[in-house]
Amino acid sequence: DAGVTQSPTHLIKTRGQHVTLRCSPISGHKSVSWYQQVLGQGPQFIFQYYEKEERGRGNFPDRFSARQFPNYSSELNVNALLLGDSALYLCASSLDPFSDNEQFFGPGTRLTVL
Amino acid sequence: AQTVTQSQPEMSVQEAETVTLSCTYDTSESDYYLFWYKQPPSRQMILVIRQEAYKQQNATENRFSVNFQKAAKSFSLKISDSQLGDAAMYFCATGTYKYIFGTGTRLKVLA
Repeated sequence: DAGVTQSPTHLIKTRGQHVTLRCSPISGHKSVSWYQQVLGQGPQFIFQYYEKEERGRGNFPDRFSARQFPNYSSELNVNALLLGDSALYLCASSLDPFSDNEQFFGPGTRLTVL
Repeated sequence: AQTVTQSQPEMSVQEAETVTLSCTYDTSESDYYLFWYKQPPSRQMILVIRQEAYKQQNATENRFSVNFQKAAKSFSLKISDSQLGDAAMYFCATGTYKYIFGTGTRLKVLA
């Protein structure tokens, strides 16, 4: 079975632009979470979606938004990019937010903002 | 607020030896999980071991084991018989639906 997949692998944008990152969860998983990992740091929680509803949001500005589709895939959108948004963006999927809580991570999207 | 602290930015271990990575945490949750994740240079985070806070018995997975001290809010990872493939960043995390990660410990395995 395929694991969590993310696209694109790498992305270069300039300040002020908008970016959309995509995530496909493991088949059967209905919950998707997004994390930002700045170089040299641990991942920081951005959002969790379950059954297309936002269940949790981390301490990120409104420039960050996300959504989940009927097939449980998800998009993370970032508007008005800043240099500080340069990071590895990780998607993680789990069966649901309630059960054994094991989250499976994708390989990430490396975003560079120039 | 939940916090996770990893006080060892980098550790080294000789191949076949044992190494312990430290982690302390703070949480107001009554029921929570603790995790150790491995992130090799290829970037993909891999779950190494998981501990449910209400279980007193320390989790083990082959060469990996934890020392969970709930009262002290300590959750260390012991890697026995270290192998070259164990070299990676190791992150301690806690949470339920959202994970709080520490800053990581880079483990180097010396041949």
